[in-house]
Amino acid sequence: DSGVTQTPKHLITATGQRVTLRCSPRSGDLSVYWYQQSLDQGLQFLIQYYNGEERAKGNILERFSAQQFPDLHSELNLSSLELGDSALYFCASSAWRGRNTEAFFGQGTRLTVV
Amino acid sequence: LAKTTQPISMDSYEGQEVNITCSHNNIATNDYITWYQQFPSQGPRFIIQGYKTKVTNEVASLFIPADRKSSTLSLPRVSLSDTAVYYCLVGENNDMRFGAGTRLTVKP
Repeated sequence: DSGVTQTPKHLITATGQRVTLRCSPRSGDLSVYWYQQSLDQGLQFLIQYYNGEERAKGNILERFSAQQFPDLHSELNLSSLELGDSALYFCASSAWRGRNTEAFFGQGTRLTVV
Repeated sequence: LAKTTQPISMDSYEGQEVNITCSHNNIATNDYITWYQQFPSQGPRFIIQGYKTKVTNEVASLFIPADRKSSTLSLPRVSLSDTAVYYCLVGENNDMRFGAGTRLTVKP
């Protein structure tokens, strides 16, 4: 158990819909990352938050948005869903110590768009 | 952002030592080198991190030459359960952008 909790574990929805994925980081971790991993593909970095503020942005579509709340949990919102958005979405968290530190990943949310 | 290059895939047999090399020619002074392991449908898991020379933990060793332009992850006596994708990350301040990784297949 990494200590990072993602909900829901599975999500099936129709094209054009909007969903929200939730991530609770490890206790004390200020940094949260979101990734998308399509079938047999690599991890695509989407966005990073640190203590409520956006820290870095990757290949995140305009239809996607995220935020980190004061209690440090984070949500990834996916709208106008397309079939190609079907993927595993991972959240990770890490402490911030001014250098690279170990990141802990959740078990992911498997999104299926039909 | 230091770009990394790893072999796409490697095969090994149970009980052998496996060495996976990562090239990072434009590594910056403050960059650390971190390796993660990912099993299918699971989130990556931290293996080891280093800055220079050699680092060893209960799972692996990481060798970094003096010029730091490459690094080698060494897995001693692999088993079937070590079949996974291994990612090398190079950066500072928690730069967490993954490359394509190396798919290691351990055969009986």
